[in-house]
Amino acid sequence: AQSVTQLDSHVSVSEGTPVLLRCNYSSSYSPSLFWYVQHPNKGLQLLLKYTSAATLVKGINGFEAEFKKSETSFHLTKPSAHMSDAAEYFCVVSVGEYGNKLVFGAGTILRVKS
Amino acid sequence: NAGVMQNPRHLVRRRGQEARLRCSPMKGHSHVYWYRQLPEEGLKFMVYLQKENIIDESGMPKERFSAEFPKEGPSILRIQQVVRGDSAAYFCASSPPGQGKTTEQFFGPGTRLTVL
Repeated sequence: AQSVTQLDSHVSVSEGTPVLLRCNYSSSYSPSLFWYVQHPNKGLQLLLKYTSAATLVKGINGFEAEFKKSETSFHLTKPSAHMSDAAEYFCVVSVGEYGNKLVFGAGTILRVKS
Repeated sequence: NAGVMQNPRHLVRRRGQEARLRCSPMKGHSHVYWYRQLPEEGLKFMVYLQKENIIDESGMPKERFSAEFPKEGPSILRIQQVVRGDSAAYFCASSPPGQGKTTEQFFGPGTRLTVL
């Protein structure tokens, strides 16, 4: 079964320093992978998605992720953290006969210190 | 273009009562999904619907839960005889048709159900 594992439940960085949120996936074939962000008491917003067109995917707000098949990873990065980046981040894979069922990782809470 | 709308945003029910959660998809979207987020957990898929059809309900509990997406009006997630374990945030998402597994799902703000 396809799944994703987020390796850190909490990450804390200082404002202006790089962000790395780690995600490994399990899939028997080329997956469709997403990163979503959830701010407190808000819905989820798509940051970026991997659809096999390019291994380095650029998203909104300066985030990007690299699909590495050899490592079965899809880590999310940002060169310089901003206070507004503090939120919970979910790595997601789409599964199912119709490819429309999203399977979420457990989430990583990002804290940004001033 | 308004986003996915869910109401109510907060719902309090006593054990044994019924809860009805509503979701209006984005304009032009004919696919609706419901997810549940229990405290300290990620979202779990419940059901995938198209207009008047349930496509995939593999994540729905076998009893007390039902969902519909009628030809007219919002999608409804109905929970009968609620129990404390039903307390969670319920998120609705929608998507346009025809994009398969790369489809972006647009999420609503969620309904937070509290069962007393």
